[in-house]
Amino acid sequence: DIVMTQSPDSLAVSLGERATINCKSSRSVLYSANNKDYLAWYQQKPGQSPRLLIYWASTRESGVPDRFSGSGSGTDFTLTISSLQAEDVAVYYCQQYYTTPPTFGQGTNVEIK
Amino acid sequence: EVQLVESGGDLVQPGGSLRLSCAASGFSFSDYWMTWVRQAPGKRLEWVANIKQDGSEKYYVDSVKGRFSISRDNARNSVYLQMSSLRAEDTALYYCARSARQTNRDNFDYWGQGTLVTVSA
Repeated sequence: DIVMTQSPDSLAVSLGERATINCKSSRSVLYSANNKDYLAWYQQKPGQSPRLLIYWASTRESGVPDRFSGSGSGTDFTLTISSLQAEDVAVYYCQQYYTTPPTFGQGTNVEIK
Repeated sequence: EVQLVESGGDLVQPGGSLRLSCAASGFSFSDYWMTWVRQAPGKRLEWVANIKQDGSEKYYVDSVKGRFSISRDNARNSVYLQMSSLRAEDTALYYCARSARQTNRDNFDYWGQGTLVTVSA
């Protein structure tokens, strides 16, 4: 199975500042046939279900604010919140869907400093 | 509006059985792979099983193979998870989720609210 490792585990950022979350996969999730990275990011607010934010490593899901962006390729990926808002307090997960079973990172808890 | 509503979670003794259901609405259910994902308290999300549109392909995480069975009824717009030989480590909130692009290798664009399974004596 592909192991997904996120860093840091927890992050405290001031309102309006940038938050950066890293995700590393134990194997490349770049599929050469279509040159796509099979990597998604989710946001899970307290007491809620996960919400899809980003797929194909950098494509924003419909309705997701443009302060959320994804980057990276192969084994190293980043989720950036350009200007943290109070409603962004949540746990963020990366997920690879390159192979079965799809696997998730351990999550990064984002708080307000 | 896409909706996924899980039910069937309960407190069950180790070795017991339970059947989870997920009722879907707001989309053409028979066009999508469907998935169960679980989250144990304080743990990361864990994919459990998925099923193809016509039910002809099913996949499971190793830890539940031989104990859990996924199925679907396209006439009822529902997907199920039959769980048997339950263990304490199966305790989790179980989510039903839809595969975003109608394929097996996919992320999940809609999630239900989850149903809680607790395995304890």
